[in-house]
Amino acid sequence: GEDVEQSLFLSVREGDSSVINCTYTDSSSTYLYWYKQEPGAGLQLLTYIFSNMDMKQDQRLTVLLNKKDKHLSLRIADTQTGDSAIYFCAEKGGATNKLIFGTGTLLAVQP
Amino acid sequence: GAVVSQHPSRVICKSGTSVKIECRSLDFQATTMFWYRQFPKQSLMLMATSNEGSKATYEQGVEKDKFLINHASLTLSTLTVTSAHPEDSSFYICSATKGLAGDSDTQYFGPGTRLTVL
Repeated sequence: GEDVEQSLFLSVREGDSSVINCTYTDSSSTYLYWYKQEPGAGLQLLTYIFSNMDMKQDQRLTVLLNKKDKHLSLRIADTQTGDSAIYFCAEKGGATNKLIFGTGTLLAVQP
Repeated sequence: GAVVSQHPSRVICKSGTSVKIECRSLDFQATTMFWYRQFPKQSLMLMATSNEGSKATYEQGVEKDKFLINHASLTLSTLTVTSAHPEDSSFYICSATKGLAGDSDTQYFGPGTRLTVL
């Protein structure tokens, strides 16, 4: 079945760039998403990328997609303490509209 | 916009009682709504997919008689946890899609409902 993996934890200093990585197994993925979850809250959509794109930039966020290696990354420039949260990547397969979520990466931003 | 609300945000109930959770799309019509469950420090697990006016499709291992889903209108879906037990304690999150062409079927999530069964 489909599987989406992420590293569990990332710690950066305020002002540095953060890079959160994600790997997936479903080669028929059509869209890949990044969501942010703060403690006790729902998921906030940050950005998404269509599978035929390599890169998408939106203000401080840059998404890179390597479809050959099934690798997705989210780069946050000038990371702030307010960026501390859990970040989930998710992929939508070609056959259904279901999302398969990664395990989540806890980003801790040190002042 | 794409705002999804859930009510209540937090509920505590006694074992054996039933609890209803509402999910509403506030500024769009949701063709499809999803219900997820999230255990502490874990990812989201899809429970079921519901389309307005039809029966929900449950994921393998999810008891449809225990988790009743009703999607009576394009802006409201409800999840009822029947005869709740402590193991049903969890964070329940809903999401909704607009179903528009070119929208990538993006799922917009509600803020979640924390259920604690004593």
